[in-house]
Amino acid sequence: DIQMTQSPSSLSAYVGDRVTITCRASQSISSYLNWYQQKPGKAPKLLIYAASSLQSGVPSRFSGSGSGTDFTLTISSLQPEDLATYYCQQSYNSLRTFGQGTKVEIK
Amino acid sequence: EVQLVESGGVVVQPGGSLRLSCAASEFNFDDYTMHWVRQAPGKGLEWVSLITWDGGNTYYADSVRGRFTISRDNSKNSLYLQMNSLRIEDTALYYCTKESQTQSPYYYYYMDVWGKGTTVTVSS
Repeated sequence: DIQMTQSPSSLSAYVGDRVTITCRASQSISSYLNWYQQKPGKAPKLLIYAASSLQSGVPSRFSGSGSGTDFTLTISSLQPEDLATYYCQQSYNSLRTFGQGTKVEIK
Repeated sequence: EVQLVESGGVVVQPGGSLRLSCAASEFNFDDYTMHWVRQAPGKGLEWVSLITWDGGNTYYADSVRGRFTISRDNSKNSLYLQMNSLRIEDTALYYCTKESQTQSPYYYYYMDVWGKGTTVTVSS
């Protein structure tokens, strides 16, 4: 199975800060990488697919980059409503796997 | 509105069985691969299983292979998860998800619609 490792596990930042979350795959997955946001008590929501494509309706302050084994989710200017846990997920092979999540808190 | 509604979650004893259902609406269900994803209390997301559009191919996480069976009935726009030999560690909120894909030349896959989940508790 492909293992996905996110860092950090949690972070705290001020409104307006630039926030970066990293996801590393245990083998090359090309651009088969998606990012999801899960707000407390809610189902996950797709933010980014194919490593860098913004899902319709998602604010442009979210962006994704990377290919191969190393990927990044960036929030250019953190907003109060971005309080959530963020997960990466690979779709390179049929046994999909998620990262362990990164919890984002607002200072 | 595209929607997925899960049902069937209950409290069950270890070793027991359970069948989850997911009702899909407002999209061509038989065009899409579908998944089950679960989340144990206070934990992260764990992919469980997928089934292709026609039911011809199914895949399972190592943690459930041999105990869970995914299936679908395209005539009823429904997805199922038969869960046997349940363990305490199967306690979780189970989500049904729809998978879309990009167009050629490269086909990238992503879960773009999620249900609200149904809770399975395995406890004696």
